[in-house]
Amino acid sequence: GAVVSQHPSWVICKSGTSVKIECRSLDFQATTMFWYRQFPKQSLMLMATSNEGSKATYEQGVEKDKFLINHASLTLSTLTVTSAHPEDSSFYICSASQGLAGVYEQFFGPGTRLTVL
Amino acid sequence: AQSVTQPDIHITVSEGASLELRCNYSYGATPYLFWYVQSPGQGLQLLLKYFSGDTLVQGIKGFEAEFKRSQSSFNLRKPSVHWSDAAEYFCALNQAGTALIFGKGTTLSVSS
Repeated sequence: GAVVSQHPSWVICKSGTSVKIECRSLDFQATTMFWYRQFPKQSLMLMATSNEGSKATYEQGVEKDKFLINHASLTLSTLTVTSAHPEDSSFYICSASQGLAGVYEQFFGPGTRLTVL
Repeated sequence: AQSVTQPDIHITVSEGASLELRCNYSYGATPYLFWYVQSPGQGLQLLLKYFSGDTLVQGIKGFEAEFKRSQSSFNLRKPSVHWSDAAEYFCALNQAGTALIFGKGTTLSVSS
């Protein structure tokens, strides 16, 4: 099956620094990738939709200048948390969409746990 | 508005007993429907999915789900629960190529 990787799997950073999270589709090309955020004991909330070669579409309430998304190729999307603060600590999960014969399925990465001190 | 409702926040089932997790949805058309499982600190694992066709869907780990259009439901079932099934379960939906909309999740505890 299709595999999506995320790197790093966990990161601890100081408040005010920036952190980049990579999401890669390893064995397929993904024109669309999605970034979700999950707080402890909560569900996944969509942050943004990332399309290769174009600007990401952010959900209402998500600061696009704080959460920079780049989808430079069909296999890589990156999320950069700029000037991170403790309230940005969360579990970030990406997914990549693969379409076959008109059926689209999303494949999830293993997630990145961000802790901001 | 498009939404997924999982009415049960927490369910406890005895090991070996049957399980049913409820999922109701609100959507303008027939969506694609999914069930995922998540263990603490881990990513999501797809249990099963419904795109079209047979309304009874078989998944991994002995799970199945039934799509009922008239009830806007997609309940997850397992005939005999194992202790290793204790986890968080999410129902989700989307349309072709769009982001998934998740329910709030149901925590499953398994008692011995």
